[in-house]
Amino acid sequence: GENVEQHPSTLSVQEGDSAVIKCTYSDSASNYFPWYKQELGKRPQLIIDIRSNVGEKKDQRIAVTLNKTAKHFSLHITETQPEDSAVYFCAATSELGGGADGLTFGKGTHLIIQP
Amino acid sequence: EAQVTQNPRYLITVTGKKLTVTCSQNMNHEYMSWYRQDPGLGLRQIYYSMNVEVTDKGDVPEGYKVSRKEKRNFPLILESPSPNQTSLYFCASSFIGGILRELFFGEGSRLTVL
Repeated sequence: GENVEQHPSTLSVQEGDSAVIKCTYSDSASNYFPWYKQELGKRPQLIIDIRSNVGEKKDQRIAVTLNKTAKHFSLHITETQPEDSAVYFCAATSELGGGADGLTFGKGTHLIIQP
Repeated sequence: EAQVTQNPRYLITVTGKKLTVTCSQNMNHEYMSWYRQDPGLGLRQIYYSMNVEVTDKGDVPEGYKVSRKEKRNFPLILESPSPNQTSLYFCASSFIGGILRELFFGEGSRLTVL
């Protein structure tokens, strides 16, 4: 099955700086890579996703990059703000068969924005 | 309002006392899944269901059962809970149809087994 490694486990940045979270995956058949944000005491929510037919996707201050050859993908947050403080999870799966195996999540990164 | 509803939200029980955590979604999603979240271990899939009467094991199914008799409901059953099942549980649902879309999570159920 798929195995997703996520680093770092904790990331502290100054407000206004950029933050980068990296994930690697093991299954070369994986082609869907979402990122979820979980604020303290809340449910995880999708913030951005990317499919293997593109190398980069942006949505305002967040972007995701994908390197299929190296089997890694990254989340980039620019101009960080206090509301970006949360736990971020990467995930991967193959959409062959409709994603029957479900998402495999990384262990999460606790992002702390220092004022 | 589109939502995934779990009950109970909080539960303290004792070893061996059967319990059920209910999950219901009102978005007509085919796919439903249960995850457990533990510190340092992230979100691990317990069971999932692609549609009514279709269920399959995830990564950590031991000690759990599920059923999918109706499209909207996907209960998680702990026949004989043990302390290592103390965790935060999330139910989630999604459309599939050959392409994965956003997983919608419930608010979570915090279970403590003494």
